Amino acid sequence: DAGVTQSPTHLIKTRGQQVTLRCSPKSGHDTVSWYQQALGQGPQFIFQYYEEEERQRGNFPDRFSGHQYPNYSSELNVNALLLGDSALYLCASSVRRGAGTNEKLFFGSGTQLSVL
Amino acid sequence: QKEVEQDPGPLSVPEGAIVSLNCTYSNSAFQYFMWYRQYSRKGPELLMYTYSSGNKEDGRFTAQVDKSSKYISLFIRDSQPSDSATYLCAMSGVQAGTALIFGKGTTLSVSS
Repeated sequence: DAGVTQSPTHLIKTRGQQVTLRCSPKSGHDTVSWYQQALGQGPQFIFQYYEEEERQRGNFPDRFSGHQYPNYSSELNVNALLLGDSALYLCASSVRRGAGTNEKLFFGSGTQLSVL
Repeated sequence: QKEVEQDPGPLSVPEGAIVSLNCTYSNSAFQYFMWYRQYSRKGPELLMYTYSSGNKEDGRFTAQVDKSSKYISLFIRDSQPSDSATYLCAMSGVQAGTALIFGKGTTLSVSS
């Protein structure tokens, strides 16, 4: 059973560029969430996608956007990269259990983004 | 004050020791409490998942939640070198879906 897969594993960009990160959820999962983990910090919630729509969003600027496809895979796009965007970007998948309920998250290994 | 506080360590123990990891939180709306283990250059792996107060045991791991004190703990019995990792506590409210609030993580090293 394949878990959550993310690509690429590493990426180097320069300030001002744009980046797209990809995620395939665990088999049977329909919801994808994205988290940013800076060095020495815990992951921070960016947003969640379900049924191809953004359902929840954390405290991140509009430079961060996403997409979910009919096969549940997802992309995270970051525009106008800043040095502070350097971090490990984690994708997590889950099974939607309805509004007002917590869902168990299963994380991928992440994409390490370095902005120079 | 941050919503979730966790001592980053590092914590070093000999093989076979009992390890105690802790987090405190300030938001009384948190109802779901989780512990994740993260190895270097890997994503977090769900270890324990509890709802509201009480204890939960799974093999060598025990999770405790004390909502009155806003304090959660993870105990690891008979620690092994393979337990060396960063342990992250995470929590959320009933309405939060998948928006977890994480602690900074505690780095644990178990020596043989």
